[in-house]
Amino acid sequence: AQSVTQLDSQVPVFEEAPVELRCNYSSSVSVYLFWYVQYPNQGLQLLLKYLSGSTLVKGINGFEAEFNKSQTSFHLRKPSVHISDTAEYFCAVKRRVDYKLSFGAGTTVTVRA
Amino acid sequence: DAGVIQSPRHEVTEMGQEVTLRCKPISGHNSLFWYRQTMMRGLELLIYFNNNVPIDDSGMPEDRFSAKMPNASFSTLKIQPSEPRDSAVYFCASRTTTGSSTDTQYFGPGTRLTVL
Repeated sequence: AQSVTQLDSQVPVFEEAPVELRCNYSSSVSVYLFWYVQYPNQGLQLLLKYLSGSTLVKGINGFEAEFNKSQTSFHLRKPSVHISDTAEYFCAVKRRVDYKLSFGAGTTVTVRA
Repeated sequence: DAGVIQSPRHEVTEMGQEVTLRCKPISGHNSLFWYRQTMMRGLELLIYFNNNVPIDDSGMPEDRFSAKMPNASFSTLKIQPSEPRDSAVYFCASRTTTGSSTDTQYFGPGTRLTVL
């Protein structure tokens, strides 16, 4: 079975500063990797996903993530955050031949002016 | 596209009452998932349907929970009788198993359930 660890439960950051959210996964087979964002009182929205090919994946709202197979990581980054990026971020992994998404515990990002 | 639609958005009920949550998946999607989100346990998959057939219900907590998908455009999650520990946000998600985006699940806005 696959599992996901999000290393930071809360990340406070100032507006226009960079942010990195860390995600590590474990799986014995090839996987797809995802980052979802959940704004307050809303559902989950897909930010980006890694399926294959280039290890640097660009998503919506200026976010990007890098897949590192040797370190089994999929860290999410944004060079300059906005107040509107305040949300909870979930890393998720899925075996390529499976339907089941395994989610991390989430990282709450709070952007301050 | 309207996205995944869930109703109600909020539900407050008393212990012992029956609760029914509803979901309309994205048109053309043939897979549907029900999740529960709590502070203690995070996001948990409750049940997965493919082509209206329940494939995996191993996440359903107990017999008080049941889910149906009578057709491709509608699913329900029922709790009878409800208990305070069922209080959570329940999400529905759908995906297609054909084409180029078979891996992506699209989530609804959720139903926040409070059982008093």
